[in-house]
Amino acid sequence: AIRMTQSPSSLSASTGDRVTITCRASQGISSYLAWYQQKPGKAPKLLIYAASTLQSGVPSRFSGSGSGTDFTLTISCLQSEDFATYYCQQYYSYPMYTFGQGTKLEIK
Amino acid sequence: EVQLVESGGGLVQPGGSLRLSCAASGFTFSSYSMNWVRQAPGKGLEWVSYISSSSSTIYYADSVKGRFTISRDNAKNSLYLQMNSLRAEDTAVYYCARETYSSGWVDYWGQGTLVTVSS
Repeated sequence: AIRMTQSPSSLSASTGDRVTITCRASQGISSYLAWYQQKPGKAPKLLIYAASTLQSGVPSRFSGSGSGTDFTLTISCLQSEDFATYYCQQYYSYPMYTFGQGTKLEIK
Repeated sequence: EVQLVESGGGLVQPGGSLRLSCAASGFTFSSYSMNWVRQAPGKGLEWVSYISSSSSTIYYADSVKGRFTISRDNAKNSLYLQMNSLRAEDTAVYYCARETYSSGWVDYWGQGTLVTVSS
């Protein structure tokens, strides 16, 4: 099974900061990667698919990059509503998926 | 508006069974592959099972294979998860999740239903 490892597991930042979250796959997954945002008590929300394609309606301050085994999610200018937990998900092994363990983004 | 509404969660003893349902509306249910994804309390997301639009293709995570059965009724716009031989480690919020045209990523999620396995 493909393992997805996110780093860091938690991150403290301030409004206006630029932050980057990394996701590493245990084997090459091309660009078959999605990113989700989850707030407490809520369902996840799709942010990015195909490693770098922004889902409709998602603010442009979110961006994704990478291919193969290493991927990043960048938030260019943190807003208060961005403090949440972020997950990556591989779908290279379609239709058996794995998620990263999550990165909790907290207010400094 | 796309809506996915799960039901059927609750408290069940170890070894017991439970059937989850997901009622879909706002889209052509029969055209979409669907998944169940779960999240144990305070933990991350875990994919559980996949079913194609016609039910011809079904997959399970190793952790539930042989105990859980996914199914759908396109006439009723409904997705199901039959869970047998439940264990404490199955305790989680279970989400019904729609894939974007069999793409691999989930574009809509339900609100989740909590399953608690405890004596």
